[in-house]
Amino acid sequence: QKEVEQDPGPLSVPEGAIVSLNCTYSNSAFQYFMWYRQYSRKGPELLMYTYSSGNKEDGRFTAQVDKSSKYISLFIRDSQPSDSATYLCATTNAGGTSYGKLTFGQGTILTVHP
Amino acid sequence: EAEVAQSPRYKITEKSQAVAFWCDPISGHATLYWYRQILGQGPELLVQFQDESVVDDSQLPKDRFSAERLKGVDSTLKIQPAELGDSAMYLCASSLGLEETQYFGPGTRLLVL
Repeated sequence: QKEVEQDPGPLSVPEGAIVSLNCTYSNSAFQYFMWYRQYSRKGPELLMYTYSSGNKEDGRFTAQVDKSSKYISLFIRDSQPSDSATYLCATTNAGGTSYGKLTFGQGTILTVHP
Repeated sequence: EAEVAQSPRYKITEKSQAVAFWCDPISGHATLYWYRQILGQGPELLVQFQDESVVDDSQLPKDRFSAERLKGVDSTLKIQPAELGDSAMYLCASSLGLEETQYFGPGTRLLVL
């Protein structure tokens, strides 16, 4: 079993829809949670960064972490065609031999059609 | 805006040949990472440097892969000999320090025939 599981989709939605992307993880030591966006043939770029449980909002994007259920979510409001990309969740713990190492989910392919 | 540079962007090689990838991190970033991303999967860490020292290479297949960052700036990842299963995107990332945000380069897409 992978440490981070993510539904690969693909997910196709109309412009303006609310998108929900989700991951689950198994390692209780994970404390930092990130969402990266990756356009085709490009490297991942950081979208959202949260520490421990709770919500964080940035414009149309909201990241949610529930450590009790080991569940990570990203919500995109008023989705745009430019949001079409692969979305990767990632986690890391602090300290120890895995210092700074990111563990990624497999990515969800999102297409927003006009 | 400063970016992580990687070259080449694409590489096609035959199995058993040697290949090398180069990464130039954002200026001032002490930590450098090499990840491998197989199509349809998330990136997986191969090796992590802090300045010129290796912090974590536990997932690096050391019989065929090697990585160096001699002066603590740019880095080279080498595969010798390449195998069909090495076909993937090789991503370099850098950060100011071990727990800082990682910034990724555009990647090198490798195809082994």
